[in-house]
Amino acid sequence: QKEVEQNSGPLSVPEGAIASLNCTYSDRGSQSFFWYRQYSGKSPELIMSIYSNGDKEDGRFTAQLNKASQYVSLLIRDSQPSDSATYLCAVTGGLVFGKGTRLSVIA
Amino acid sequence: GAGVSQSPSNKVTEKGKDVELRCDPISGHTALYWYRQRLGQGLEFLIYFQGNSAPDKSGLPSDRFSAERTGESVSTLTIQRTQQEDSAVYLCASSISTGELFFGEGSRLTVL
Repeated sequence: QKEVEQNSGPLSVPEGAIASLNCTYSDRGSQSFFWYRQYSGKSPELIMSIYSNGDKEDGRFTAQLNKASQYVSLLIRDSQPSDSATYLCAVTGGLVFGKGTRLSVIA
Repeated sequence: GAGVSQSPSNKVTEKGKDVELRCDPISGHTALYWYRQRLGQGLEFLIYFQGNSAPDKSGLPSDRFSAERTGESVSTLTIQRTQQEDSAVYLCASSISTGELFFGEGSRLTVL
């Protein structure tokens, strides 16, 4: 049974701080990892994809992958109230999603 | 169209009726996924189509649920004899192979 685990939150951070979202997965053979953002009442939208160990940066977002530890994270720098949403971790395309972490950025 | 299109956007039905939900993927996307999302919950994988391969039906919760897709075109998710616990948003997503997913706006199903 392939599983993806995320802390459900809510994770509350002040505006301007770094938000750190974490995800662990059970299938050691997984090759592709994705972070999606879902605003309340809306559909998920892709933020980042990462396939290799290390960091991948895109604007204020950084995805980090450690395959040895089966761990993937998303850092959001200079958090804004508009970043308040649920963040979903997905492994191996769309076959396995975590339940999501709810992030609240306090102005 | 430019994005994934789902219809209807809202469906209210009576317990015991059958419903059909439609998904029109992005042109050229070979992979198509259906998910169920109950209020306040995560995404529940239902079924996955990849090109002309046999679909992965491992997430379908019961034999009341079925889905079809012809080639790389439109897919239909059918729920027979609906129950109140089927009330949820049904999301469709498409992608090029098993990569980055693009989601439709969803079909909200309410079973009275």
